[in-house]
Amino acid sequence: DQQVKQNSPSLSVQEGRISILNCDYTNSMFDYFLWYKKYPAEGPTFLISISSIKDKNEDGRFTVFLNKSAKHLSLHIVPSQPGDSAVYFCAADNFGNEKLTFGTGTRLTIIP
Amino acid sequence: DAGVTQSPTHLIKTRGQQVTLRCSPKSGHDTVSWYQQALGQGPQFIFQYYEEEERQRGNFPDRFSGHQFPNYSSELNVNALLLGDSALYLCASSFLGAYEQYFGPGTRLTVT
Repeated sequence: DQQVKQNSPSLSVQEGRISILNCDYTNSMFDYFLWYKKYPAEGPTFLISISSIKDKNEDGRFTVFLNKSAKHLSLHIVPSQPGDSAVYFCAADNFGNEKLTFGTGTRLTIIP
Repeated sequence: DAGVTQSPTHLIKTRGQQVTLRCSPKSGHDTVSWYQQALGQGPQFIFQYYEEEERQRGNFPDRFSGHQFPNYSSELNVNALLLGDSALYLCASSFLGAYEQYFGPGTRLTVT
């Protein structure tokens, strides 16, 4: 049972444009969501997170939006840069669990 | 400030053998979690260690075991290796109770 889903395996975006990566979840107990970025031959790097008490969190070029009623979150990257090309994983957790549940990832390619 | 380190980087084993993977957490972190990432999938939680004890475990058989040392470093042991155990094994460290986990570069295990 895939509790965290990333339905787009890949996404290509022109440099300078907005990249939008989507993630859906089924477990209503999840109360914290994280995005990780992964380059080849490296471990996932923490990017940005959001608590379920918020609907938006911003950090520089990265913004995460959470729609609890739809059990949906998205990561916006504006403007997209070539160094953003990587695999992005959405992950979820619930208080006291500390056991991240990951999606299958979306490969983002920024076209110069 | 050293991040999470793992050794070895790559490992090739034969079906039925046993393997030990090692992890040193980020400085100051006291909790270590292990994840398995199969090709094309997101990381899957194996187990978590704190104060040298297993705190919780994912859906993995008893062939997977671990240990945490007084200096917070950790080992993952897999017995009776199967071809399906071929994967990238990721170690993550954190403070107890924190949602954000910081990952090492992983150990690529190939079982032939």
